[in-house]
Amino acid sequence: AQTVTQSQPEMSVQEAETVTLSCTYDTSENNYYLFWYKQPPSRQMILVIRQEAYKQQNATENRFSVNFQKAAKSFSLKISDSQLGDTAMYFCAFNDNNDMRFGAGTRLTVKP
Amino acid sequence: DGGITQSPKYLFRKEGQNVTLSCEQNLNHDAMYWYRQDPGQGLRLIYYSQIVNDFQKGDIAEGYSVSREKKESFPLTVTSAQKNPTAFYLCASASGTSSYNEQFFGPGTRLTVL
Repeated sequence: AQTVTQSQPEMSVQEAETVTLSCTYDTSENNYYLFWYKQPPSRQMILVIRQEAYKQQNATENRFSVNFQKAAKSFSLKISDSQLGDTAMYFCAFNDNNDMRFGAGTRLTVKP
Repeated sequence: DGGITQSPKYLFRKEGQNVTLSCEQNLNHDAMYWYRQDPGQGLRLIYYSQIVNDFQKGDIAEGYSVSREKKESFPLTVTSAQKNPTAFYLCASASGTSSYNEQFFGPGTRLTVL
């Protein structure tokens, strides 16, 4: 079964600075999809960004971008110009054949 | 407004009682999912359904049951056979069954068994 590992249980960053959250996964498949979800204190899960494994170009969404290294099975999330509203749990997820797997999450705190 | 609703937000039950968590979506999505979230762990899939009157077990289906009689509704029953039911439960839906499709999540139900 596929597994997703987030090795940083907690991280903090100063407002306006950049932070990178790491994620690695294990799979024998070639076609799959990767996601980063955000869960703020309200506990509402919100999609941040997604990446298709067959696309070499890294996905970007405004201040959020990923560094997708397929050979290394790595999918890190970079948040630029961090804002107080970015404080949340961030979950990396892997989806193959409708089987979504989530990492344990990284708790990010943005400090003023 | 389109979205997913879960009710109630907080639920308390005595040990040994069955309890049903509601999940409704008006997004016209085909696929619906139930996840369990425990502290320090990611979301774990309980059940999912890709079409009305059909559903499949996820990784932790034991002690749970579901039904999908209507496209917009996917209730989850936590039975007395579930050994540790206290958790946060999230329902999600997706427009199709492709792995690319974003899953939209409801606000969750916090179940506490006393």
